[in-house]
Amino acid sequence: KQEVTQIPAALSVPEGENLVLNCSFTDSAIYNLQWFRQDPGKGLTSLLLIQSSQREQTSGRLNASLDKSSGRSTLYIAASQPGDSATYLCAVKVPGGDDKIIFGKGTRLHILP
Amino acid sequence: NAGVTQTPKFQVLKTGQSMTLQCAQDMNHEYMSWYRQDPGMGLRLIHYSVGAGITDQGEVPNGYNVSRSTTEDFPLRLLSAAPSQTSVYFCASSYGGAPGNTIYFGEGSWLTVV
Repeated sequence: KQEVTQIPAALSVPEGENLVLNCSFTDSAIYNLQWFRQDPGKGLTSLLLIQSSQREQTSGRLNASLDKSSGRSTLYIAASQPGDSATYLCAVKVPGGDDKIIFGKGTRLHILP
Repeated sequence: NAGVTQTPKFQVLKTGQSMTLQCAQDMNHEYMSWYRQDPGMGLRLIHYSVGAGITDQGEVPNGYNVSRSTTEDFPLRLLSAAPSQTSVYFCASSYGGAPGNTIYFGEGSWLTVV
């Protein structure tokens, strides 16, 4: 059974620092891995999607990497800003034709001004 | 482009009452799904649909019904609300099956059962 884990559950860093969020999954048979951002009281917004054949994706200050063989992904945020404060979730899409997506529980990030 | 629209945003129910959470998408997505999000539990799949007329159970389907009469709409029905169904509910949609498809979420529906 696929399980997705995100450690730590919460993280506080000073503004301006570069940081890495971690995501691990137990079964390397995935279609893709997606990183989401969730602001309090809001839905999830997709940040980056990495297909299983890809190693990384970049968008602005964000870079996500994928190592399928080791079951790991990282989300790198450069030059963090207070506006980056949110909960970040990773999710894997598993084979089976029914579009099932398994989520981690998220890392709550707080950027200190 | 509205994306995924959920209503209502907030609802308080009494135990035993029934209600329907509405979800609509305007992106012609085949796949739609309902999740609930609880503290410490993350997002859990309730029901999903791979197209109009087709629905299936997710991880936590008990106490909920769904139907998919059109591509656009995927309502979630609570048959007899229980306090354990107090949660935040998210509807999501995406294009069919291809690995590279992004999933889009609604803004959520906060439900309290007293």
